[in-house]
Amino acid sequence: EIVLTQSPGTLSLSPGERATLSCRASQSVRSRYLAWYQQKPGQPPRLLIYDASSRATGIPDRFSGGGSGTDFTLTISRLEPEDFAVFYCQQYGNSPWTFGQGTKVEV
Amino acid sequence: EVQLVQSGAEVKKPGESLRISCKASGYTFTNSWIGWVRQMPGKGLEWMGIIYPSDSHTVYSPSFQGQVTISADKSISTAYLQWSSLRASDTAMYYCAKSSSGYDSWGQGTLVTVSS
Repeated sequence: EIVLTQSPGTLSLSPGERATLSCRASQSVRSRYLAWYQQKPGQPPRLLIYDASSRATGIPDRFSGGGSGTDFTLTISRLEPEDFAVFYCQQYGNSPWTFGQGTKVEV
Repeated sequence: EVQLVQSGAEVKKPGESLRISCKASGYTFTNSWIGWVRQMPGKGLEWMGIIYPSDSHTVYSPSFQGQVTISADKSISTAYLQWSSLRASDTAMYYCAKSSSGYDSWGQGTLVTVSS
């Protein structure tokens, strides 16, 4: 199975700053089938990015995804107060699908 | 509007059986895979498995194969996650989610607590 390793574990930033999150796969992710999710306390995850770089419906353009093969990134260009949360990557190109362990973005 | 509505919280004893549900609406249930995700207290997301309701084809994570059963009843647009004998380590929040290039819609979660 593909192991996804996210870094850093915690990112301490301020509103208005840029956040760059990394997701590294143990083997190549087929067809860039990688998604990013945001989860706030007490809520289910929310899809932000699919197919590595496509924004999901209703997601602001300050969120962007990139990468291919084994290295992927999620960038938040300017952090808004509501963006502070835990972010997970997920690959769905190879069975079993797998999640990364998460990156917490905190103030 | 796509909605996934999960059954309510459960408190069970070790060794008991359980089935939780996820009722879908707002889309054609048989046209999309639907999966289950575990989140243990204070931990990350774990992919358990996925089912295609049209033909009930199911894929399990090796970590959950043989531990749970995923099923679906397309006549009532509902997916299920089932245990035959619960353990304390099954205590977690369980989410169902609809697949369309990743999981684009999620249920609200079902908290399962297993304690003697």
